[in-house]
This record gives sequence, structure tokens and C-alpha cells, in this order.
Amino acid sequence: GNSVTQMEGPVTLSEEAFLTINCTYTATGYPSLFWYVQYPGEGLQLLLKATKADDKGSNKGFEATYRKETTSFHLEKGSVQVSDSAVYFCALYYGNNRLAFGKGNQVVVIP
Amino acid sequence: DGGITQSPKYLFRKEGQNVTLSCEQNLNHDAMYWYRQDPGQGLRLIYYSQIVNDFQKGDIAEGYSVSREKKESFPLTVTSAQKNPTAFYLCASTRERNTGELFFGEGSRLTVL
Repeated sequence: GNSVTQMEGPVTLSEEAFLTINCTYTATGYPSLFWYVQYPGEGLQLLLKATKADDKGSNKGFEATYRKETTSFHLEKGSVQVSDSAVYFCALYYGNNRLAFGKGNQVVVIP
Repeated sequence: DGGITQSPKYLFRKEGQNVTLSCEQNLNHDAMYWYRQDPGQGLRLIYYSQIVNDFQKGDIAEGYSVSREKKESFPLTVTSAQKNPTAFYLCASTRERNTGELFFGEGSRLTVL
């Protein structure tokens, strides 16, 4: 089936630290991959996307590369800020209006 | 400003009552969606609609109903048949079909007392 797996547990780090959130996927065919972000008390916002292998999505200092050989789409940011504290969801689109979401990772950035 | 408006933001319901959550968009998007979010879980699709007067069941449609009488509006009714309705409900829309690129409202939190 089509599914997304995110690393377990919240991520707590200090301001200006390097952030990585792992995401791996299982899919038939060649899905599009996304990272969505949910700030406290809000809905989700699209952060970045990649539609084919080796594409790199980037936005607001975040990056993720679509790696077909490792079926991964890890999210990275070189220097986080307190304002990056949010829940981050990895997702894949596999057609017919279907998105499979990961469980999300809470990121807490401490000043 | 264009966007998706969900109301109410918080709602309390007694067991056995139906409740309707509103979703309105002024983005001129054709497709609209309802998702359910539970703590520590990803989002699960309840219903979606690609055009007016047409909608399809998602992965967890049992106990829910929708209508799409206007392009701008896609209300969700949580019926008494929904066994575990306490959750955060998110409405979304997309400007292009079949891309996975969604715009979300701010959500409605339903609590059953």
C-alpha cells in the first residue's frame, strides 16, 4: 500500500541548531512528496514539495530531496529559530485525490 | 484576503446529537476535502468533492455526511452514528485536481461530552 513513516517522538533543540526530520515512504509508482507544517492552533500549510526523483524542494530555509533509491524525503534546516516550533507532516500523493500523511513530528525550539 | 474559513473553532456536543461544521472558501477552488486529525496521528480523509453536487467517500466516511450545493461551501455533519467523534476536523481545498497541494482552514475542534 501507500504509506509514510516519520521518526518517532518530538524533537527538541536549541535555537540555531541543525534540524533533521526523517521521512520514508512506501508507494507504487512515482508519487509526489510533500512536507506540511502546522503551527499551534492552526491548520496545515504546505511547506515544500517534490514531484520526481532527485528533485529538491525548498522554502523558508527548509529543504528536502526526493530519494527514490532510499524511498526517503528527509526534511532539513541548517539553523532553526523559535518561530519554527510546530508540527511537521510528511505526505505523499498517490492519485485519485488521496494523500497519505505521516503521524507528524512536534518540533520545539528553545531560545 | 482569500482563504478557507471554518466554524465554529470549538464545539461541544452531547452524545446522540448531530452537529454540522461549516467550511467556506473564497479561493475559487473546485475541489474540497474534509480530514480528521487525532493526537499523534496523521490526517485521515473523510469525504471529498471535486465539483458542485458531487462528493465521494474517503477512508473513514462512516458516521459522517456532507453536501456540496455551492462551490464555496462544503459543510460536514457528524452524526450520532459516529462512534468516536471527538477530534480536530480540517477542511481543505485545492486549485488543481490531483496534485496533493492543499490549502487548509484553521480547523474545528469537536468534543463530545
